[in-house]
Amino acid sequence: EIVLTQSPGTVSLSPGERATLSCRASQSISNSYLAWYQQKPGQAPRLLIYGVSSRATGIPDRFSGSGSGTDFTLTISRLEPEDFAVYYCQHYDSSLFTFGPGTKVDVK
Amino acid sequence: QVQLQESGPGLVKPSETLSLTCTVSGGSISGYYWSWIRQLPGKGLEWIGYIYYSGSIKYNPSLKSRLTISVDTSKNQFSLKLSSVTAADTAVYYCARIRLGGLDFDYWGQGTLVTVSS
Repeated sequence: EIVLTQSPGTVSLSPGERATLSCRASQSISNSYLAWYQQKPGQAPRLLIYGVSSRATGIPDRFSGSGSGTDFTLTISRLEPEDFAVYYCQHYDSSLFTFGPGTKVDVK
Repeated sequence: QVQLQESGPGLVKPSETLSLTCTVSGGSISGYYWSWIRQLPGKGLEWIGYIYYSGSIKYNPSLKSRLTISVDTSKNQFSLKLSSVTAADTAVYYCARIRLGGLDFDYWGQGTLVTVSS
């Protein structure tokens, strides 16, 4: 089973700043099934990025995904007030979906 | 616009069976895989299992012995049953659609809190 770890656990940033969130897999992800979600308090997660770097429908282009092998990154180029939330990475392998523990982006 | 809505009891007694239904509106259940995911209080996300509209199923091995997921295409619904629940099963339960051709979740229900307590 591939385990996903995310860092940092929490990052404090100001609106307009760049956010760089990391997701690391315990083994190489060879099938590119790596997705990112945003979750705000009291809401369901929302798909942001799938297939490592493809933006989901309606997602602004300030969100981008990159990476390969075991190291993946979600970048928010300029934080908007509505971007302060928890972000999860997710992978599928061997009939099992797994999520990372999340990174909280809060206001500095 | 596809919408998913979970329904079911918010309180279940220990050792009993948790039962939830997800109703899909704004689109057909046919042609897609549908999933249940839960979030323990203040914690991350745990995948429970998925079902294809035609009935093929995959469960999380950690929950498999207690799980039943089923689908009713005539009602555009799919359901979750988790038996022998304990306080550790207290969570927000989400239903979600697996994106067509993908392995991620593009539509989610709002989630329903199920508390296991006597």
